[in-house]
Amino acid sequence: NAGVTQTPKFRVLKTGQSMTLLCAQDMNHEYMYWYRQDPGMGLRLIHYSVGEGTTAKGEVPDGYNVSRLKKQNFLLGLESAAPSQTSVYFCASSSPGRNYEQYFGPGTRLTVT
Amino acid sequence: GQSLEQPSEVTAVEGAIVQINCTYQTSGFYGLSWYQQHDGGAPTFLSYNALDGLEETGRFSSFLSRSDSYGYLLLQELQMKDSASYFCAVLDSNYQLIWGAGTKLIIKP
Repeated sequence: NAGVTQTPKFRVLKTGQSMTLLCAQDMNHEYMYWYRQDPGMGLRLIHYSVGEGTTAKGEVPDGYNVSRLKKQNFLLGLESAAPSQTSVYFCASSSPGRNYEQYFGPGTRLTVT
Repeated sequence: GQSLEQPSEVTAVEGAIVQINCTYQTSGFYGLSWYQQHDGGAPTFLSYNALDGLEETGRFSSFLSRSDSYGYLLLQELQMKDSASYFCAVLDSNYQLIWGAGTKLIIKP
């Protein structure tokens, strides 16, 4: 099992460019999440999904969109990147119960210049 | 508002015991989780407490007091590989995790 994978691992964007981050999980988890982590801070939830075809806003959703067309995939889009979106982005997945343990991907380091 | 407080940094000696505290104030509460994150890595799950008391998993233990909105992570027999950041996170009423800012654990030989 690969667990949770994220592509790409690194990316540099210019202000105003767009991109999509892809998250895939092979654990048949219902729930998936996108977080951002800034230096010296904890994780902040951007968007999440409780099942295929459903998405919901988290704590910091502005400037991001998501889609979950297939259960195993969760996409995060930046339509017009801004320097404030420079961060490390983590995707995670979990199943209800079982200590609500979230399994994380390796992260995507995004720099917006 | 929702907030979690934990020390920004803790230093301990290899082989010793260290306790990392976490106090929280959230609109809903189902449980308290702890995650470990090494530099450049992803968070990994350590423990989850839904009820008051102590949960033990090997060298790591986690405690929760719901009445005091307080919990801690206890690490025993510290090893150099335990050098990492430790995050407490509250599972709120929407089953989302609200994260603390993390505690950087520095271990000296």
